[in-house]
Amino acid sequence: GAVVSQHPSWVICKSGTSVKIECRSLDFQATTMFWYRQFPKQSLMLMATSNEGSKATYEQGVEKDKFLINHASLTLSTLTVTSAHPEDSSFYICSANHLAGGPGEQYFGPGTRLTVT
Amino acid sequence: GNSVTQMEGPVTLSEEAFLTINCTYTATGYPSLFWYVQYPGEGLQLLLKATKADDKGSNKGFEATYRKETTSFHLEKGSVQVSDSAVYFCALRNYPGNQFYFGTGTSLTVIP
Repeated sequence: GAVVSQHPSWVICKSGTSVKIECRSLDFQATTMFWYRQFPKQSLMLMATSNEGSKATYEQGVEKDKFLINHASLTLSTLTVTSAHPEDSSFYICSANHLAGGPGEQYFGPGTRLTVT
Repeated sequence: GNSVTQMEGPVTLSEEAFLTINCTYTATGYPSLFWYVQYPGEGLQLLLKATKADDKGSNKGFEATYRKETTSFHLEKGSVQVSDSAVYFCALRNYPGNQFYFGTGTSLTVIP
């Protein structure tokens, strides 16, 4: 089946530093990938839609300069949290749209736990 | 706008009990509806889906029927197992944009 991986699965960084999270579709091509943020005991909140070869589309209230998204190829999207602060600590999840699976079929990565100290 | 409301948890059931997790939605147009499951330490997995009114999605003994008249997509299972312990998310996807909107999740614990 379609598999989406994320790396790293867990990261701790100091305030003011930047962290890059990778999202890969392992056995299919994904023209569109999505980035979500999940707070403890809360729902997934869509942060941005990432399209291969073009700029990402950010949801209202998400700082594009803080959460840099690059969709460099059909199998890789990256999310960089710049100048991280403790309030950025969260669980970040990506998903990839698998066109062969039918319209709207999305596969989710296992998530990345970010802790900013 | 688009939104999903699902019953708050946590829910604790004994093995072989009947499960219902309520989900209602608000959407413009005609959304597709989904249930995702998240097992401890894993990513979200699609459990079942329905793309139009009156469709019934089913998988692994779970069922949900797309009820347009009540804007609901309640998840049911007749006899839960310990292995069903997980967090369940109701979600909708509306055109265009292909974006998903998730409920807050319901944690289910099944005890032997």
